[in-house]
Amino acid sequence: GENVEQHPSTLSVQEGDSAVIKCTYSDSASNYFPWYKQELGKGPQLIIDIRSNVGEKKDQRIAVTLNKTAKHFSLHITETQPEDSAVYFCAASIQWADKLIFGTGTRLQVFP
Amino acid sequence: GAVVSQHPSWVICKSGTSVKIECRSLDFQATTMFWYRQFPKQSLMLMATSNEGSKATYEQGVEKDKFLINHASLTLSTLTVTSAHPEDSSFYICSAGTGAGANVLTFGAGSRLTVL
Repeated sequence: GENVEQHPSTLSVQEGDSAVIKCTYSDSASNYFPWYKQELGKGPQLIIDIRSNVGEKKDQRIAVTLNKTAKHFSLHITETQPEDSAVYFCAASIQWADKLIFGTGTRLQVFP
Repeated sequence: GAVVSQHPSWVICKSGTSVKIECRSLDFQATTMFWYRQFPKQSLMLMATSNEGSKATYEQGVEKDKFLINHASLTLSTLTVTSAHPEDSSFYICSAGTGAGANVLTFGAGSRLTVL
């Protein structure tokens, strides 16, 4: 089955700096890769996603890149703000199955 | 946008009792719902896939008699933790999708179970 690895487990940055979180997946059949932000005591919130027919997607300060050959994808947050502090999870799924396999999570702290 | 409601948001129960958690899609029909379990500072682990009108598919290592899942309608799935023990204390999260292979799933806010 699919296995998703995520690095780093914790990330501390200064406000205004960029943050990058990386994930690798094992199943070459996976073709959907969402990123979720989870705040303490809450459910995950989708922040951006990418499908395997696209190499990069951007939404304001957030971007995701996908390298299908290497089976890895990354989340890029620019101009970080304290409210970006949360736990971020990557995930992967095979389109027809819908079920998501999550990475281990990255705790991002943005210091003012 | 799509909204998934979970209830209760938190529950405390005595060891040996059963607890039911509800997951509702409020503005769309969810042919498929997924139940996840999350321990403190850990990732979400998929427990089971629930399809409306059929038996749930459980992930390896998840006891189906311990975690009963019912998906009786297109807007409601329930997870019942039977004969709960302290080790069942966790954050349980559901997600719902249209099952059309669209992949975009909406997550509930989660239910925190504490078993004394």
